[in-house]
Amino acid sequence: EVQLVQSGAEVKKPGESLKISCYGSGYSFTNYWIAWVRQMPGKGLEWMGIIYPGDSDTRYSPSFQGQVTISTDKSITTAYLQWSSLKASDTAMYYCARWLAARPSFDYWGQGTLVTVSS
Amino acid sequence: FMLTQPHSVSESPGKTVTISCTRSSGSIASSYVQWYQQRPGSSPTTVIYEHNQRPSGVPDRFSGSIDSSSNSASLTISGLKSEDEADYYCQSYDSSNYVFGTGTEVSVL
Repeated sequence: EVQLVQSGAEVKKPGESLKISCYGSGYSFTNYWIAWVRQMPGKGLEWMGIIYPGDSDTRYSPSFQGQVTISTDKSITTAYLQWSSLKASDTAMYYCARWLAARPSFDYWGQGTLVTVSS
Repeated sequence: FMLTQPHSVSESPGKTVTISCTRSSGSIASSYVQWYQQRPGSSPTTVIYEHNQRPSGVPDRFSGSIDSSSNSASLTISGLKSEDEADYYCQSYDSSNYVFGTGTEVSVL
């Protein structure tokens, strides 16, 4: 069974760093792109970026380029999303999702990680 | 490019609703359009991929289409049920840019 399991909720202060994770299982992790999607409170879905674990090829939305870093450790089938200096405006739910190129769609999603940034 | 959807639609049980998704630039037919359903407190799930294909398990009450003349895609839900009450997002892509629509809240009266 394909699963994407994300790390737990985080509460951070502005200026702090953070790295959240997305563990993939039940499929060949290196052969599928993994994306990160932001959902601010009461708002819609925003694509942040995507990574191919096989070779770490990474693409970012222009809106998030330079604001976050997406990485992967294929030895433990895990993708990451990290911030070096959080802002209050980073408060949101973050989802990882697998891109299925054969039937173009995000076919599996993680359960989401709630990040709260508050002083 | 952007994908614009109506903010909300509502209809009675058993009726039909159609949600539009208009692409701001570039042809709607140039890349496949997907539709996702997000119920409150849950992660999104795919209801339509490749403009009009349903994943297994999605009822045939859900259908998708595109209209090149209006440069838009549509999701139609027929025989509306209370369980269809959710937010719906269209999604497409362009080069290495994956774009979600603005989202539509469907209410079942």
